[in-house]
Amino acid sequence: GAGVSQSPRYKVAKRGQDVALRCDPISGHVSLFWYQQALGQGPEFLTYFQNEAQLDKSGLPSDRFFAERPEGSVSTLKIQRTQQEDSAVYLCASSFGTVSSYEQYFGPGTRLTVT
Amino acid sequence: AQSVAQPEDQVNVAEGNPLTVKCTYSVSGNPYLFWYVQYPNRGLQFLLKYITGDNLVKGSYGFEAEFNKSQTSFHLKKPSALVSDSALYFCAVRPPGGATNKLIFGTGTLLAVQP
Repeated sequence: GAGVSQSPRYKVAKRGQDVALRCDPISGHVSLFWYQQALGQGPEFLTYFQNEAQLDKSGLPSDRFFAERPEGSVSTLKIQRTQQEDSAVYLCASSFGTVSSYEQYFGPGTRLTVT
Repeated sequence: AQSVAQPEDQVNVAEGNPLTVKCTYSVSGNPYLFWYVQYPNRGLQFLLKYITGDNLVKGSYGFEAEFNKSQTSFHLKKPSALVSDSALYFCAVRPPGGATNKLIFGTGTLLAVQP
């Protein structure tokens, strides 16, 4: 079956531009996560949705980062006024339920390069 | 602070030999533990998890992991390595409690299997 998909796969933005990254989770998955993976590092948590509710946004590095999931399916991560330190791979993951023992399924990521 | 440590940046092993990729964690309580593998330009793929019960858990592609509570470790193992196992491996922990199911990842270990 279809896995988690993300678009675009690659994005180059000039410093100061706004970007929007899309995530299509596995159909029926209630939980959706965004992670940021810097070069040579493990993924770091950004935010978590349960259906359309954003229950945790403690990992968002600044108020330039905004995420939404208005209908409880597709999610968008928006970064305003991009900075060079925003360059990273942004990973989306989904899981079937809300129980924490469920594994998360990851998309291929969007590689953002800010020049 | 809650954290996951993967002390080896790279592990080299000859094909056919057993392999171990180490992981230790610093989390209070009884966490859930996960291993993921990342191939180039692809998202993280779930390998296995420990939730409760038997300390030895088996996962995909012949991998297994041993949970040791006293040593707070969750090392990944495979009896006989394949060249195709060469990839980046991440250990992750889901701390107990809280409203979010976010994962805390280690920095990754690059496994290189030589033919």
